Amino acid sequence: QIQVVQSGAEVKKPGASVKISCKTSGYTFTSYGISWVRQAPGQGFEWLGWISVYNGDKKYAQKFQGRLTMTTDTSTDTAYMELRSLRSDDTAVYFCARDGGIEGAIGWFDPWGQGTLVTVSS
Amino acid sequence: DIQMTQSPLSLPASVGERVTVTCRASQSIGTSLNWYQQRPGKAPKFLIYTASNLQGGVPLRFSGSGSGTEFTLTISSLQPEDVATYYCQQSYSVPWTFGLGTKVEIK
Repeated sequence: QIQVVQSGAEVKKPGASVKISCKTSGYTFTSYGISWVRQAPGQGFEWLGWISVYNGDKKYAQKFQGRLTMTTDTSTDTAYMELRSLRSDDTAVYFCARDGGIEGAIGWFDPWGQGTLVTVSS
Repeated sequence: DIQMTQSPLSLPASVGERVTVTCRASQSIGTSLNWYQQRPGKAPKFLIYTASNLQGGVPLRFSGSGSGTEFTLTISSLQPEDVATYYCQQSYSVPWTFGLGTKVEIK
C-alpha cells in the first residue's frame, strides 16, 4: 500500500534551518508531485509549496518563497523540505503529501505523511 | 489569496444523526473544493475531491455538494468513528488554502 513516512521531530533555534525528509513507497514516485503543508499548534493548515518529482517544477506560497527549498531524490523515492531563517511562529507540525501528477499540481493531498513537529525556541 | 470560511466551528450531534458542514469561499472556485478528516493526533485523511467525488474507500455516508462559493459536507448517519475535525480546502488557485475546520463530536 502507499506509505509516506516523515523524519522525526526537530528543535531549532531562531535563525536556524530545518530539513525534513518524506520517504514514499507503494507508488511510482516519479509520476506524482509532493506538497508541503503545516499546522501550527491549535491552528488550521497552511500550504507552503509543491514540487513535481517528474520535472522539478515548483510552486510556492509567496510568503515562503526565498526561504523554502524543496527537493526530491528519485534513487530513494524521498522528498525533502528545507526552511531557513526560522522564527518562533514557524513552530508547527509539517506534513508532506502526494499531490498532482505528470500534468502538474492538482491541489489535493493524498496520502499525507504522519507529520514532523518543528519547534523553534531560543 | 482565497479565504475559506467554515461553519459551524463545533458540531455536537447524536449517533445516527445527519450532520452538515458548510464551507464558503471568498470568490467563485467552481467545484475546486476538497474535504479532509483529521482525527486527534493523526494526519488528515482525504475524503472528497472536486466538491462531490468520494475518494476510494471512504464510507458512502459521506457526501459533498456545491459549486461557486458555497459547499457542504454531509454525513448521512453519524458514527462514533466520525468524531474528528473536518477541513475544506480550495484547489482553484495557488496558494491552496484551507478552512479553519469544524469539530464534529458525539452529543
